[in-house]
Amino acid sequence: TQLLEQSPQFLSIQEGENLTVYCNSSSVFSSLQWYRQEPGEGPVLLVTVVTGGEVKKLKRLTFQFGDARKDSSLHITAAQPGDTGLYLCAGAKNNDMRFGAGTRLTVKP
Amino acid sequence: EAGVAQSPRYKIIEKRQSVAFWCNPISGHATLYWYQQILGQGPKLLIQFQNNGVVDDSQLPKDRFSAERLKGVDSTLKIQPAKLEDSAVYLCASSPDRVGTGELFFGEGSRLTVL
Repeated sequence: TQLLEQSPQFLSIQEGENLTVYCNSSSVFSSLQWYRQEPGEGPVLLVTVVTGGEVKKLKRLTFQFGDARKDSSLHITAAQPGDTGLYLCAGAKNNDMRFGAGTRLTVKP
Repeated sequence: EAGVAQSPRYKIIEKRQSVAFWCNPISGHATLYWYQQILGQGPKLLIQFQNNGVVDDSQLPKDRFSAERLKGVDSTLKIQPAKLEDSAVYLCASSPDRVGTGELFFGEGSRLTVL
């Protein structure tokens, strides 16, 4: 079983739509990171959230860390084809950095 | 600044053969991770090093996998003998921060196919 559960597993939307993907766990994390991975490449960090309830914005992306530091969400406004990729959340716990299975997002022009 | 270098990018072997992957982290990064990413899944941690010491290898199948980080810089991951289920991308990542904190910088990965 995954320590971090991501949903949905797959998401296909049209350009301009909004979307939210989720990362949930029963464990508490000292920090949580979101990465994006494109085919044939390694994941690239988008954001790190540390404080419960924290909200961070990165252009059209909004990241939120749950109050209890067990879950997180990523909201994308007006999605673009360039947002296509695998979105991974990773939690830091007990000196480990563990990843979820990811949400594979496809944005159609 | 040079990124994390991995080689080879692709490797095809038959089951029961051996294979080795090499990783050169970003200069000065103390923490190094090896992850296994099976198609359609997220990266699974195999082993992590802090300098040349192992911090966590609890998920490394030690009967067939081994890893070392001599001199606290480069690292190699070896599989011997390989099984069909070892087909995956092997990602190396490094971080300037202590284990469990900070950004992970990933290489492009080494794609292994076991026939």
